Amino acid sequence: EDQVTQSPEALRLQEGESSSLNCSYTVSGLRGLFWYRQDPGKGPEFLFTLYSAGEEKEKERLKATLTKKESFLHITAPKPEDSATYLCAGRGNMLTFGGGTRLMVKP
Amino acid sequence: NAGVTQTPKFQVLKTGQSMTLQCAQDMNHNSMYWYRQDPGMGLRLIYYSASEGTTDKGEVPNGYNVSRLNKREFSLRLESAAPSQTSVYFCASSPQTYEQYFGPGTRLTVT
Repeated sequence: EDQVTQSPEALRLQEGESSSLNCSYTVSGLRGLFWYRQDPGKGPEFLFTLYSAGEEKEKERLKATLTKKESFLHITAPKPEDSATYLCAGRGNMLTFGGGTRLMVKP
Repeated sequence: NAGVTQTPKFQVLKTGQSMTLQCAQDMNHNSMYWYRQDPGMGLRLIYYSASEGTTDKGEVPNGYNVSRLNKREFSLRLESAAPSQTSVYFCASSPQTYEQYFGPGTRLTVT
């Protein structure tokens, strides 16, 4: 059975304080590792796809990386507007989602 | 380009009532999905349609039915609603590269 686990469940940062979110996965025949952002009351918004170990993708203050067992979402010098829940998901036969990390960035 | 749209945004049902959640996408995607999102449970797949004319069960299909009306539209039906079906329902669509694009959700309460 495919499994995706995210940690921590919640993370509080001061504005400008860089950190990383972790996504551990066990997905048979991984066909992609996906990161999403979800704001309260809205649907998940697609951020990145990573296909192979060693791959990196960047968008503004976010950088996603992938190893054979984990993916990390690095947030550099976060701003309050980066506050959201970040979801990762692994695609085997279907997409399996982790439980998410709720990020709160205080000014 | 509206992306994925869902109706209604909110709904309150009484136990035993039926309803259909509507979803449409304008991105010409072949695959469409229905998820439910509950606190502490994450997003769970109810049903999916890999292409027009096909539908398959996901992780939690009991109590639901779906119809892929055409390439754009994929509806989810609750025949006899139960309090356990209180949730937020998301529709999504994807191209062949697998990333999924989500709608804004339907917040359903069953009393």
